[in-house]
Formats: sequence, structure tokens, C-alpha cells
Amino acid sequence: NAGVMQNPRHLVRRRGQEARLRCSPMKGHSHVYWYRQLPEEGLKFMVYLQKENIIDESGMPKERFSAEFPKEGPSILRIQQVVRGDSAAYFCASSPPLGPYEQYFGPGTRLTVT
Amino acid sequence: AQTVTQSQPEMSVQEAETVTLSCTYDTSESDYYLFWYKQPPSRQMILVIRQEAYKQQNATENRFSVNFQKAAKSFSLKISDSQLGDAAMYFCAKTAGNKLTFGGGTRVLVKP
Repeated sequence: NAGVMQNPRHLVRRRGQEARLRCSPMKGHSHVYWYRQLPEEGLKFMVYLQKENIIDESGMPKERFSAEFPKEGPSILRIQQVVRGDSAAYFCASSPPLGPYEQYFGPGTRLTVT
Repeated sequence: AQTVTQSQPEMSVQEAETVTLSCTYDTSESDYYLFWYKQPPSRQMILVIRQEAYKQQNATENRFSVNFQKAAKSFSLKISDSQLGDAAMYFCAKTAGNKLTFGGGTRVLVKP
């Protein structure tokens, strides 16, 4: 049973470009969560999605950030017009339909904005 | 906002010895879950142990055990017989609605 997959593992973007981060949940998991980890800090919640629905986006910055989890395919976290402050590790987690009590994390995508 | 606090930025332990990491939190919920995650240099988040708040019995997983004090809102992790592979960042986390809230982490150094 493959774990949570994230790609790319490393992403370098110049200021003003767009970043797209992908997450494929574990088989049988229909809930996806995105977290951001700044250097030397803990993970901070960004958004919680189920298939075709955003359930909780209380941790998402109001501008430039968006997320989706389509009926088919991976969940996408999109950052438009990246700035240096967006440099961080972005983690995706998935859980089974029962809820957030068993979240399994992907390896993360390290975004560097130059 | 609910918070999770890890007051020890770094802990050092001799190989084969025991180390205890502290975690406190605030909440108004009666039912929730608590977790300890390990993050080695690879940055992969690895679930170490999980505790359900309505269970009084402390969770254990091999060399890892917790001391859960619900009234004190305390959730410490004990690593027994420490091994070199235990060296990592350790994060305490708590469910808060649909998400996890994490502490700031404790770096564990293991001396051979």
C-alpha cells in the first residue's frame, strides 16, 4: 500500500512565478490536508479538502494561494506570484473518511523562491 | 486559538538512556486526540504514538510511551533505551476540529 505521494520533492521558482504542488493520498483515503513548515518551526495548517470540496481553508493566506482536490487526480496546492516568504516545506497528509484522527504525511515539497 | 507548547527546544541523551519530552496544550474540548511525530533530517513526518483523550491508559509503542495528564493538559513522551536513530525533531500535535495543531518542536540529540 503506497503511502502519501508528493511531487515534486524540490521546487525552485523565481519571484513572480507560479508554484504547483501535487499530492496523491493513500489508497482509500478521501481527506487531504495541507500544512506549511517554515524553517525551525512546527507545521501550520493551511487547508482541508475532500473530493471536489474545500472543507476548511482557515489557514490559507487570503491572496495568491488556492487548493483543489478534483474528482480524479491529485490534490493541487497552487501559489501564484510567489515571493521569498513563500519559501518553506509544504506537507500533505491524508486520512480515511472517519476523520483527522489518523493523518499520514507525505515526504513534503521544499519550495525555494529566488 | 488553541495552542500546543513544547518548552524544550533541544534535549540531549546518552545512547541507551531515557529522555522525556514535555508538551502542554490548551483546549475547551473534552474529546480529542494527541500525537507525537518524529521528523528526521529527511523531513518525513513519522507518527510515533497516538493518545485518545477519553482513554485514561497511557499509550505505549515499543520504546516510546506517553504520560497523559488530562486535567493538567500535559502530554509528555518518554523514549527509553535511546538509539542513534532516535535523533530527530519531535513534534507534539493535537486535533483541533478538522486539523492538527503542532507545537514548535524539540530537537533530540543522541550521544554515542
